[in-house]
Amino acid sequence: GQQLNQSPQSMFIQEGEDVSMNCTSSSIFNTWLWYKQDPGEGPVLLIALYKAGELTSNGRLTAQFGITRKDSFLNISASIPSDVGIYFCAESGGSNYKLTFGKGTLLTVNP
Amino acid sequence: KAGVTQTPRYLIKTRGQQVTLSCSPISGHRSVSWYQQTPGQGLQFLFEYFSETQRNKGNFPGRFSGRQFSNSRSEMNVSTLELGDSALYLCASRPSTGNYGYTFGSGTRLTVV
Repeated sequence: GQQLNQSPQSMFIQEGEDVSMNCTSSSIFNTWLWYKQDPGEGPVLLIALYKAGELTSNGRLTAQFGITRKDSFLNISASIPSDVGIYFCAESGGSNYKLTFGKGTLLTVNP
Repeated sequence: KAGVTQTPRYLIKTRGQQVTLSCSPISGHRSVSWYQQTPGQGLQFLFEYFSETQRNKGNFPGRFSGRQFSNSRSEMNVSTLELGDSALYLCASRPSTGNYGYTFGSGTRLTVV
């Protein structure tokens, strides 16, 4: 089945720093999704990308759908303590009606 | 608009027992999916329902089953519980058409002892 390789596994940064994480796949995708999960909660959708090359922002978050359709990155600018959590990339599987998730990037922000 | 509601939030069961988890999707969402999250395996797809029909099923044993009711509410059942079934079980719903933005509930934390 499809596999998403997400990196880095974890990041420890200082408040105010910018962060970048990415996902790659051996398969071509039609949709990339980025989620954030806080402890004890379900994932929350941050950004959805629907076509190759698409660059989308949501506040301090920016994500891009790679032109090869096999990768995506998520940037967080000027990080703040509430950015702490696990960030997941996911693809929507087209007509398979399911999400396939990366293993996640654990972000820790030091105030 | 109320979000996806999962009950109960926490559950402790004994090996060999069975358990039923409930999910109420966002009003108007007819697609409901279930995922298992563990530290070792991450988020894994269990099954997806639409209009009371299972459209896709993940690679889990037959002990894991689900159903959807006419009001789109869904339940999943795990029979003959094993220690390895301890996990956070997440439900997600999405609209029938339009974007692929699945909305997740807060999950049910199942501990099997």
